[in-house]
Amino acid sequence: EVQLVESGGGLVQPGGSLRLSCAASGFTFSSYWMTWVRQAPGKGLEWVADIKQDGSVTFYVDSVKGRFTISRDNAKNSLYLQMNSLRAEDTAVYYCARQRILSEWGQGTLVTVSS
Amino acid sequence: DIQLTQSPSFLSASVGDRVTITCRASQGISSYLAWYQQKPGKAPKLLIYAASTLQSGVPSRFSGNGSGTEFTLTISSLQPEDFATYYCQQLNSYPLTFGGGTKVEIK
Repeated sequence: EVQLVESGGGLVQPGGSLRLSCAASGFTFSSYWMTWVRQAPGKGLEWVADIKQDGSVTFYVDSVKGRFTISRDNAKNSLYLQMNSLRAEDTAVYYCARQRILSEWGQGTLVTVSS
Repeated sequence: DIQLTQSPSFLSASVGDRVTITCRASQGISSYLAWYQQKPGKAPKLLIYAASTLQSGVPSRFSGNGSGTEFTLTISSLQPEDFATYYCQQLNSYPLTFGGGTKVEIK
């Protein structure tokens, strides 16, 4: 069974940093693109970033370019999202998902950016 | 960026109704479209990809159609567990984008 478990969310002040993790199991992690998607409270879904199987290719939504970095450690079956210079508008539940078509999702981790 | 416009944004229907949700893309995306279902407090669930391919385990009352700029998600006979919010997503080009969502509620 595919399992994705996010962690690392919490309350952070504007301008601060946070690193999200996603632990994957139940599939060959190194064979799949992985994705981060977020959802602000009461709002719709927003694609954030993608990373290729070997980590050599990444894509980002414009609003996070230069501030967020997606990465992965295939030896640890883990996906990461390093978030710097956080803003209030980054407040959201962050989900990791398998593949570009988002075939499976984690339960999400809440990031709140507030002073 | 490719914009996806879903209609309606809100839909009130009864159990057993046939329901159709439309997703229109601001430019052609071939068949690079997926549909997701999200229930309150839960992660979204993939229903359909490549515009019309049913994800494994998804009931056959769900179907997808379309190509280019206009797509539909149809639920042939609405069941109580289908009351949720539905999103379309284009995978034709980056940045990948979602529609604004369609909330299906009980009449």
